[in-house]
Amino acid sequence: EPEVTQTPSHQVTQMGQEVILRCVPISNHLYFYWYRQILGQKVEFLVSFYNNEISEKSEIFDDQFSVERPDGSNFTLKIRSTKLEDSAMYFCASSPPSSGGATYNEQFFGPGTRLTVL
Amino acid sequence: AQKITQTQPGMFVQEKEAVTLDCTYDTSDPSYGLFWYKQPSSGEMIFLIYQGSYDQQNATEGRYSLNFQKARKSANLVISASQLGDSAMYFCAMPQRSGSARQLTFGSGTQLTVLP
Repeated sequence: EPEVTQTPSHQVTQMGQEVILRCVPISNHLYFYWYRQILGQKVEFLVSFYNNEISEKSEIFDDQFSVERPDGSNFTLKIRSTKLEDSAMYFCASSPPSSGGATYNEQFFGPGTRLTVL
Repeated sequence: AQKITQTQPGMFVQEKEAVTLDCTYDTSDPSYGLFWYKQPSSGEMIFLIYQGSYDQQNATEGRYSLNFQKARKSANLVISASQLGDSAMYFCAMPQRSGSARQLTFGSGTQLTVLP
């Protein structure tokens, strides 16, 4: 069964460093998402990506963050200058095209990347 | 904007018994849906079940069922015959109807512990 993959599973970095989190969505999916989950808290939406551009972004997704789909298979989240509060689990998700305007658009989540900023 | 509320931070259930996890929502959309995801201690998010607001019958997937009550704006997850492996965090989520993508708004989650 196709699945979303994420690398690395764990990333430890120093405050102020740049990190790139990588995701390979399911191949025929068109919508891509990044979410984050600070330890013990709920999952929060960061950004959605469709047709090679950002579709929606939350207020969390400030100028320190950027996303890219560089080669048609990878989907990356870059944090330019990490802060301590960026420590969290980062989930990538993808979903297939909507059909008939239905609200059902199951999102398939990757296993997550645990980012620790020291 | 949608809002999802899960009022039970933690629940305990005896193995083989049924348990209901509460989820209430607030939305102005006439058409919407609700997802439930399971997050075990390993951290991954596992899709469990979905129901759309226009679905006539409550959704079921194996031991999972949705008790969907639109008038009360609730979409409670019922797990029948609980197993030890059901111990996990459970999140209710609703797709945001804006733009072409449908990002999810999550509740705060319920930590379920199944006791032997």
